[in-house]
Amino acid sequence: DQQVKQNSPSLSVQEGRISILNCDYTNSMFDYFLWYKKYPAEGPTFLISISSIKDKNEDGRFTVFLNKSAKHLSLHIVPSQPGDSAVYFCAASPALGNEKLTFGTGTRLTIIP
Amino acid sequence: EAGVTQFPSHSVIEKGQTVTLRCDPISGHDNLYWYRRVMGKEIKFLLHFVKESKQDESGMPNNRFLAERTGGTYSTLKVQPAELEDSGVYFCASSLWNAGGETQYFGPGTRLLVL
Repeated sequence: DQQVKQNSPSLSVQEGRISILNCDYTNSMFDYFLWYKKYPAEGPTFLISISSIKDKNEDGRFTVFLNKSAKHLSLHIVPSQPGDSAVYFCAASPALGNEKLTFGTGTRLTIIP
Repeated sequence: EAGVTQFPSHSVIEKGQTVTLRCDPISGHDNLYWYRRVMGKEIKFLLHFVKESKQDESGMPNNRFLAERTGGTYSTLKVQPAELEDSGVYFCASSLWNAGGETQYFGPGTRLLVL
């Protein structure tokens, strides 16, 4: 039973446009949400996070939105750049201690020059 | 500062053989995690060490998997005997022992193929 779901396995976006990656979760105990970015043959790299007490967190070109009532979060990248092409994983944990991350299956983002 | 390192980067073994994966966390990181990603699926938690103690091993698939972290530094994950379904990428991650949203830093992974 997958508790974190990324229903879009892939997404292609024109360079300079906005990329929106979506993630849904089912476990109400999740309190802290993260996005990781992964290049081929490398491990996931932390990108941005948000705790459940917020509905938005912004870091440069990256913004994460959280809708607790819908159990949905999204990652916005604007403007998209070719270096953003990677697999993006949504992850969640039950506490701010950031232990035992539960990941989604990932979305492969391709930025078209 | 060196990141999380894992050895080997790739391993191809036959069913029934034994394989040992090694992870060296970032120096000073008390928390060490093992995860696994089977082809195309989600990255799944295996276990969590705090220093040399197993904090949570709820994700370990079965007793063919044995993880150790002697002295609270590097960790090993042994699979014995390996089965076909053990194939995948094994990631190690580490974080500081501290309260509040410590980022987990991942290594590059060990790609295990069991034939």
